Amino acid sequence: EDQVTQSPEALRLQEGESSSLNCSYTVSGLRGLFWYRQDPGKGPEFLFTLYSAGEEKEKERLKATLTKKESFLHITAPKPEDSATYLCAVPGGGSEKLVFGKGTKLTVNP
Amino acid sequence: KAGVTQTPRYLIKTRGQQVTLSCSPISGHRSVSWYQQTPGQGLQFLFEYFSETQRNKGNFPGRFSGRQFSNSRSEMNVSTLELGDSALYLCASSLPQSSGNTIYFGEGSWLTVV
Repeated sequence: EDQVTQSPEALRLQEGESSSLNCSYTVSGLRGLFWYRQDPGKGPEFLFTLYSAGEEKEKERLKATLTKKESFLHITAPKPEDSATYLCAVPGGGSEKLVFGKGTKLTVNP
Repeated sequence: KAGVTQTPRYLIKTRGQQVTLSCSPISGHRSVSWYQQTPGQGLQFLFEYFSETQRNKGNFPGRFSGRQFSNSRSEMNVSTLELGDSALYLCASSLPQSSGNTIYFGEGSWLTVV
């Protein structure tokens, strides 16, 4: 069964304190790994798609990396506006269905 | 380019009633999927439609149903509402290519069942 596990569940950082979020996955035949950001009361906002081990993508203070078993979302010098829940997902079941992790709630204090 | 549009944004229903939620995908996207998000279970897949056909269905009871129209718009219906159906219902759309396409989400419809 396809499975995605994210850690930690919650993370508190001081502004400027870099850290990483983890997403480990079990899927038969990886067809992409997605990272989303979700603000309270809103839908998930697409951040990155990674397709193969070794791939990296960056956007502002965020960098996503992928290995054969897990993905990391590195946050460099975060700001309070980076506070959100970060979700990781993989396509499962041979369709557009996404299997999501429970997310990491990031809080960045000024 | 307009994003995924969902209506209504908020609604309150009574147990036993039924509800219909609407979704307009991004222009050109023909695949539409629906998810339920609750604090306890996270995001869970409901169903997916492509070219008016349901291609995949999650583990939800038959009270949850959906359909897609020829213009790719989609609706989902929940009948005989239960308190546990209170959730954020999210619609997502993607291009009609092989799996692995980026899937874009709407802002969701907040359903409260009282």
